[in-house]
Amino acid sequence: EDQVTQSPEALRLQEGESSSLNCSYTVSGLRGLFWYRQDPGKGPEFLFTLYSAGEEKEKERLKATLTKKESFLHITAPKPEDSATYLCAVMSYQKVTFGTGTKLQVIP
Amino acid sequence: NAGVTQTPKFQVLKTGQSMTLQCAQDMNHEYMSWYRQDPGMGLRLIHYSVGAGITDQGEVPNGYNVSRSTTEDFPLRLLSAAPSQTSVYFCASRMTGGREQYFGPGTRLTVT
Repeated sequence: EDQVTQSPEALRLQEGESSSLNCSYTVSGLRGLFWYRQDPGKGPEFLFTLYSAGEEKEKERLKATLTKKESFLHITAPKPEDSATYLCAVMSYQKVTFGTGTKLQVIP
Repeated sequence: NAGVTQTPKFQVLKTGQSMTLQCAQDMNHEYMSWYRQDPGMGLRLIHYSVGAGITDQGEVPNGYNVSRSTTEDFPLRLLSAAPSQTSVYFCASRMTGGREQYFGPGTRLTVT
């Protein structure tokens, strides 16, 4: 059974304090690992897709990396507007499994 | 493009009532799906459709029906609402052969 575990559940950072969010997964036949951002009261917003170990993608202050067992979302010099819940999901064949998310709060 | 739209944004039902959650997309995506999101749990797939006239069950389909008569619309029907169906419901779509899903803004449903 495909599983996705995200840690920590919640993370509080000072503005400018870099950190990483973890997504550990087990999946039979990875077809893609996704990162989404979700703001309160809104739907998940797509950020990245990673397909194979060693792959990296960047967008502004965010960088996603992938190994065979986990993915990291690195946040460099975060700003208060980066506060959100970040969701990780894996796709195997036609099934997508979501993690429960990491709630990030960036304090000015 | 409006992307994926959902109505209503909020709804309160009494146990046993029925209703339809609306979802539409204007991106010409063949694949559409419905998820529910509950505290402490990841998004769970209710039903999905790979094209007009084709639907299938996801992980938690009981108590819900779907139909897909057009590419654009994918309504979710609650047949007889139960308190266990209190949740936030999201509709999503993606291109056939694509992998990234695009989500609507959600419907917050409370069943009393």
